Amino acid sequence: GAVVSQHPSRVICKSGTSVKIECRSLDFQATTMFWYRQFPKKSLMLMATSNEGSKATYEQGVEKDKFLINHASLTLSTLTVTSAHPEDSSFYICSARGGLRISTDTQYFGPGTRLTVL
Amino acid sequence: ELKVEQNPLFLSMQEGKNYTIYCNYSTTSDRLYWYRQDPGKSLESLFVLLSNGAVKQEGRLMASLDTKARLSTLHITAAVHDLSATYFCAGKETSGSRLTFGEGTQLTVNP
Repeated sequence: GAVVSQHPSRVICKSGTSVKIECRSLDFQATTMFWYRQFPKKSLMLMATSNEGSKATYEQGVEKDKFLINHASLTLSTLTVTSAHPEDSSFYICSARGGLRISTDTQYFGPGTRLTVL
Repeated sequence: ELKVEQNPLFLSMQEGKNYTIYCNYSTTSDRLYWYRQDPGKSLESLFVLLSNGAVKQEGRLMASLDTKARLSTLHITAAVHDLSATYFCAGKETSGSRLTFGEGTQLTVNP
C-alpha cells in the first residue's frame, strides 16, 4: 500500500529557533501534499496545499512567512516553522495524494510530528 | 465552502451495544471519508464512500452515504474495547482536492 513517512516524529526546540519537518511518500509519487495542524482533542485544520514544483496555497489565516512549505520533488515536501514560539506547539500531519501508479482519489496520511516549543 | 459536522462529539458505550455516529455536510461533496485516530497517532483510513447509497462494512463498523440528505453514518455493532478511538469524517468538495474534517467523535467503549 501507499506509505507516507514524516521526520522527525517528535521535536522539542527553544523559542525563536526554526524547525524543519519532512514528509515523504515512500512508494508512490505524490503530485499534491497537504499539511495539517491538530491541537489536542481537536480536529485537523488544513494549513496549506502544495503541488510539486509550484508555490504552496495557504489557507486563510495561515502565515506563509512563518510556515514555509517546499515541495521540490514528487516524493518530498518540507514544512519549516520559522522563529517558533510556544503557541506553535502542535501535532503536524502531512498527507500525500497520488499521481502515478495509485489512486488520485485518496490522501495517505503520515504518522505526524509532535512539535513542542519551550 | 464545505462544512462538516459530526455528532455526537463524545460517546461512551458499553461493550456489546450498538451505536451510530452521524456526519452532516453542507454542500455537494463527491466523496466522504471516515478515519480512526488513536491517541498520539495519525489517521487510519477506514472507508471512502463515493456515491449515493454506498454502504461499506469492515468488521463491526459499517459506513453509509446519503448524498440527498448530505448525511453519512458510521454504525458500530456489538462494540468492543478495541474500538475506543476518535473517529473523523471528512468530505471532499467536488472541485479541488482539499478535505474538510468534522470535529471528531471520541468513542470510549467500557467493559
